[in-house]
Amino acid sequence: GENVEQHPSTLSVQEGDSAVIKCTYSDSASNYFPWYKQELGKRPQLIIDIRSNVGEKKDQRIAVTLNKTAKHFSLHITETQPEDSAVYFCAASRGQTGANNLFFGTGTRLTVIP
Amino acid sequence: NAGVTQTPKFQVLKTGQSMTLQCAQDMNHEYMSWYRQDPGMGLRLIHYSVGAGITDQGEVPNGYNVSRSTTEDFPLRLLSAAPSQTSVYFCASGKGVGTEAFFGQGTRLTVV
Repeated sequence: GENVEQHPSTLSVQEGDSAVIKCTYSDSASNYFPWYKQELGKRPQLIIDIRSNVGEKKDQRIAVTLNKTAKHFSLHITETQPEDSAVYFCAASRGQTGANNLFFGTGTRLTVIP
Repeated sequence: NAGVTQTPKFQVLKTGQSMTLQCAQDMNHEYMSWYRQDPGMGLRLIHYSVGAGITDQGEVPNGYNVSRSTTEDFPLRLLSAAPSQTSVYFCASGKGVGTEAFFGQGTRLTVV
């Protein structure tokens, strides 16, 4: 099955700095890569996703890059704000016959220091 | 539009007891799934369904059963609870391949 590794497990940045979280995956058939943000005691919520036919996607202060050859993808958050503090999860899916089964990384706890 | 609704939010069980975690969605999504979240391990897929009457196993299915009699509901049954099943359980639904998964608010289950 798919194996997704995520680094770092914790990340502290000063407000206004950038944060980068990296993930690798093992299954070359994976073709959908979402990122979820989870605040303490809350449900995971999608913040951005990318499909294998695209190398980069940006949404305001958040961007994701994908390198299919190396099988890794990264989340970039610029101009970080205290409300960005949360746990971030990457995931991968191969999208088999109607099933969007997600394989998650172990999470990165991001702390933005005011 | 309530999205994905899970009940209960909290539950304490004794070892050997059985219970059903409820999940309902009102978005007419064909795909539904159950994940468990344990510290330091991310979310792991337990069971999933691509439509009414169709279910399949995920990464960690042992000790859990599911059924899907309607598009809206996807209950998760613990037949004989064990301490190793102490976790936070999330139900999710979506339109299918390569689309956003919408999560419920979670059920925190403790087995003593």
